[in-house]
Amino acid sequence: GENVEQHPSTLSVQEGDSAVIKCTYSDSASNYFPWYKQELGKRPQLIIDIRSNVGEKKDQRIAVTLNKTAKHFSLHITETQPEDSAVYFCAASLSGSARQLTFGSGTQLTVLP
Amino acid sequence: DSGVTQTPKHLITATGQRVTLRCSPRSGDLSVYWYQQSLDQGLQFLIQYYNGEERAKGNILERFSAQQFPDLHSELNLSSLELGDSALYFCASSVGGQGHHEQYFGPGTRLTVT
Repeated sequence: GENVEQHPSTLSVQEGDSAVIKCTYSDSASNYFPWYKQELGKRPQLIIDIRSNVGEKKDQRIAVTLNKTAKHFSLHITETQPEDSAVYFCAASLSGSARQLTFGSGTQLTVLP
Repeated sequence: DSGVTQTPKHLITATGQRVTLRCSPRSGDLSVYWYQQSLDQGLQFLIQYYNGEERAKGNILERFSAQQFPDLHSELNLSSLELGDSALYFCASSVGGQGHHEQYFGPGTRLTVT
């Protein structure tokens, strides 16, 4: 089955700096890659996603890039703010009728004021 | 608010007992997914239903079962509970069908087995 690895496990940045989180996946048939933000004790919230026919997608301060050849994708957050502090999860899923998400292990992002 | 609801929010029970977790998907969503989040295992997929039928199974124990009802709400049944079953259980829903992948999570049920 699919396996998703995520790095780093913890990341501290100064407010205003950029943060980058990287993930690799194993199944070349995976074609959908969402990113979730989870605050302590809360539900995972979908913040951005990308499909395999796209190389990059941006939404304000957040961007995701995908390299299908290398089977890796990354989350980029620019101009970080303290409210960006949370755990971020990458995930991958296949097309077809079963679309369960395989999650990475998470990155604890701390933005220092 | 994602539009996905889960009850109860918290559940404390003893080993050997049985509990039922309930999920109502967003209006219009046909797919329901159950995930377990524990400190040592991260977020793991358990089972998926689409329009009342089981669609995929993940790392779900035989002691666990689920179903989706005609009104599309879903229940996850956990029996013969063990201490290791203590976790956050999330339900997510999506439209399902061709090209629709986005999954929206409910607030979760925190299960504590003592």
